[in-house]
Amino acid sequence: QPQLQASGPGLVKPAETLSLSCTVSGDSIINSPYFWGWIRQPPGKGLEWIGSIFFSGTTHYNPSLRSRVTISVDTSKNQFFLNLSSMTAADTAVYYCSRSAVQRVVRGGFHHWGQGTLVTVSS
Amino acid sequence: QSVLTQPPSASGTPGQRVTISCSGTRSNIGGNTVEWYQQFPGTAPKLLVYSNNQRPSGVPDRFSASKSGTSASLAISGLQSEDEAGYFCATWDDSLSCVIFGGGTNLTVL
Repeated sequence: QPQLQASGPGLVKPAETLSLSCTVSGDSIINSPYFWGWIRQPPGKGLEWIGSIFFSGTTHYNPSLRSRVTISVDTSKNQFFLNLSSMTAADTAVYYCSRSAVQRVVRGGFHHWGQGTLVTVSS
Repeated sequence: QSVLTQPPSASGTPGQRVTISCSGTRSNIGGNTVEWYQQFPGTAPKLLVYSNNQRPSGVPDRFSASKSGTSASLAISGLQSEDEAGYFCATWDDSLSCVIFGGGTNLTVL
């Protein structure tokens, strides 16, 4: 069973870029047949998929965020990353990293989740 | 407003069977598999169902799900107090090229 741990700043200023990392243990990203993804949840609201990446570097992004999102992977460190630019108050949320449930496809659900990290956008 | 429509709340008494619905369109539920998640306050969601009706290892068989046309539903039988949580449906939307979630249903065990 993989364990995922998201980390990053809890506070980001408006217009800045958010950088989060997700460290994976219990599974190896390199050659893993699963996608690794980011999902966020504003306080008291629903879930929003941000995007997912395969170990090869193939990415899929939520079209509503594509212009601001970059997801990358460092297989040597068994980590993947989220960069979200031009942050606003609307981006305040708990950010989760996850592993997909079905091999080789983005769709099909997220089976393993990190604990989530709250990111607040405020000056 | 979510693309997938769920009732904001549901309730039941211990031992009852409760059903939560999730309504979509041909571009999402109509053409793709559906997942269901359970979430307790302050914790990450937990995958309850994938591929419309498959339960990951460890999920009690009290939880079952089905899909018909452009709608899906999650049923919880033998309701227990520890089932009080938020429940979200999810699927892929072919038009949006995106994973989408329902707005969530808060289940109260009376």
